[in-house]
Amino acid sequence: DGGITQSPKYLFRKEGQNVTLSCEQNLNHDAMYWYRQDPGQGLRLIYYSQIVNDFQKGDIAEGYSVSREKKESFPLTVTSAQKNPTAFYLCASVPRTGGRETAGNTIYFGEGSWLTVV
Amino acid sequence: AQSVTQLGSHVSVSEGALVLLRCNYSSSVPPYLFWYVQYPNQGLQLLLKYTSAATLVKGINGFEAEFKKSETSFHLTKPSAHMSDAAEYFCAVSNTGNQFYFGTGTSLTVIP
Repeated sequence: DGGITQSPKYLFRKEGQNVTLSCEQNLNHDAMYWYRQDPGQGLRLIYYSQIVNDFQKGDIAEGYSVSREKKESFPLTVTSAQKNPTAFYLCASVPRTGGRETAGNTIYFGEGSWLTVV
Repeated sequence: AQSVTQLGSHVSVSEGALVLLRCNYSSSVPPYLFWYVQYPNQGLQLLLKYTSAATLVKGINGFEAEFKKSETSFHLTKPSAHMSDAAEYFCAVSNTGNQFYFGTGTSLTVIP
């Protein structure tokens, strides 16, 4: 079945350590996104990418990095510069982006990954 | 700029009662509006979306929402709540399909 796969589901990070969350989609979607979810704060955009080899910062990009070397993959690295990384991370994708013909596109989500600092 | 406001971070209803979750949007262009549901430790699933075809939108699991331009609202309703409806609900707005703006969510509790 087509979908968005995030791994691992649960990840523990030590202080000063970088960790990478994986996101893979087999939906042939152009755009991919990373959101962070904290209780009571909804979803906050970290990074997004509309095409391969290109990505843009979202509202809370500091302390995070991404790459988009393949259309189906958009890994997120949480660096040691992110001082409060404990959260639920959601990867998402959209079929196509840009222009009026893509208006109303639905955004689809993976199952999420929990990151905890220990 | 676009945004959504969900009134009420927590809503409790009795099983069988009407569910009403409120969402107001702000958009400088005709909006595309969505409702998503999130169960614990899972991603968001699309309930329904409005793309200007009809003001009353029917979604999955018996939910529906009505787009009211004059009130800039897109409230979610369900005539009779079921225990399985207990979850977090998010309203979202998008522009041309690139950017999505989510509300802070409403946690629905269903009381047996």
